[in-house]
Amino acid sequence: NAGVTQTPKFRILKIGQSMTLQCTQDMNHNYMYWYRQDPGMGLKLIYYSVGAGITDKGEVPNGYNVSRSTTEDFPLRLELAAPSQTSVYFCASSYVARGETQYFGPGTRLLVL
Amino acid sequence: EDKVVQSPLSLVVHEGDTVTLNCSYEVTNFRSLLWYKQEKKAPTFLFMLTSSGIEKKSGRLSSILDKKELFSILNITATQTGDSAIYLCAVEAPGNTGKLIFGQGTTLQVKP
Repeated sequence: NAGVTQTPKFRILKIGQSMTLQCTQDMNHNYMYWYRQDPGMGLKLIYYSVGAGITDKGEVPNGYNVSRSTTEDFPLRLELAAPSQTSVYFCASSYVARGETQYFGPGTRLLVL
Repeated sequence: EDKVVQSPLSLVVHEGDTVTLNCSYEVTNFRSLLWYKQEKKAPTFLFMLTSSGIEKKSGRLSSILDKKELFSILNITATQTGDSAIYLCAVEAPGNTGKLIFGQGTTLQVKP
């Protein structure tokens, strides 16, 4: 099992550009999450999904969109990138809705200039 | 608004010292409290606490929860340079979603 994979590992965007952060898990987990971690801070939940076709907002959803057309994939879309979106983005998945069971991906570091 | 606050934000100690990290929370219908270690990559799960007064222990690390006073502590004894990391506290929000509310983290540096 590859676990939770994220691509790309690192990306530089110009202000106003858009991009999609990819997240894939091969563990058949229903629950998937997107977090962002700003320098010196904890993680903040952006969006989450409890199953294919079902998504909901977390603490900081503004400027982002998600979709969940399959169990495996949970892409995060940034429209009109802004410097405030410079962060490290972590995707996580779990087989039950319990925090301690979340598997984290390696993260995507995004720099918006 | 639900929130989790950690203190101190950073700490520098020498090998062999004992450290205590603090986490206080204000979360309605709290489910569980979790501690993670983060070393320049994704967080690694350490402990989950749900009941007051029951210590969880793993080697030199231990943690306890006080649900009456709404806080938890993480103790690390005989610290080693390999303990240098960010320690994150998170509280699981109510509802069957697995949503986590994280604190800011405590950055621990252990000097030789």
